[in-house]
Amino acid sequence: GAVVSQHPSWVICKSGTSVKIECRSLDFQATTMFWYRQFPKQSLMLMATSNEGSKATYEQGVEKDKFLINHASLTLSTLTVTSAHPEDSSFYICSAPGGLNTEAFFGQGTRLTVV
Amino acid sequence: AQSVSQHNHHVILSEAASLELGCNYSYGGTVNLFWYVQYPGQHLQLLLKYFSGDPLVKGIKGFEAEFIKSKFSFNLRKPSVQWSDTAEYFCAVNALGNKLVFGAGTILRVKS
Repeated sequence: GAVVSQHPSWVICKSGTSVKIECRSLDFQATTMFWYRQFPKQSLMLMATSNEGSKATYEQGVEKDKFLINHASLTLSTLTVTSAHPEDSSFYICSAPGGLNTEAFFGQGTRLTVV
Repeated sequence: AQSVSQHNHHVILSEAASLELGCNYSYGGTVNLFWYVQYPGQHLQLLLKYFSGDPLVKGIKGFEAEFIKSKFSFNLRKPSVQWSDTAEYFCAVNALGNKLVFGAGTILRVKS
């Protein structure tokens, strides 16, 4: 199946700093990328949908100025957590849809810890 | 809005026991249904999926799931679990635009 590579797999940062998470589709082009967040003992919640060449679409309750999404090319989408706070500590996962009647492909996930 | 409900958050079984994890969804239209598994420290992996056709779907590692449209259910089953099946299992529904809506997950622990 298709491969989605997410980097870094884990990061620790200080409060107030920004962290960038990259998600690359390695062997296919992804015009759309979904970004999910998973808090401990909870399910994955969709944060936003990035679209190549246009603005991202954010789910209700997600601050677009805090979670900056850029879909610069057909193989790269990035999520930047700006001015991170401890409550932003979570597991972030990107996913690319595989096309009509196929499953989505997930990155490895990024464990963010803000101290 | 779509929602997915998984009935048990934690399940503990002995090896060779049978497994059934419940999943119900709320959406009246055509849906695609998935079960994903997340082993400790690993990616989410697709176990099986249903798009159309035979409502009994066979997946990897001996798992199967049955789509019952009248009950809005897509329960996951395995006749005999192994210690290596210890993982977290997520049911997911895709009805609009390929956005997946996940259930809360079920953590399965298999005792050897």
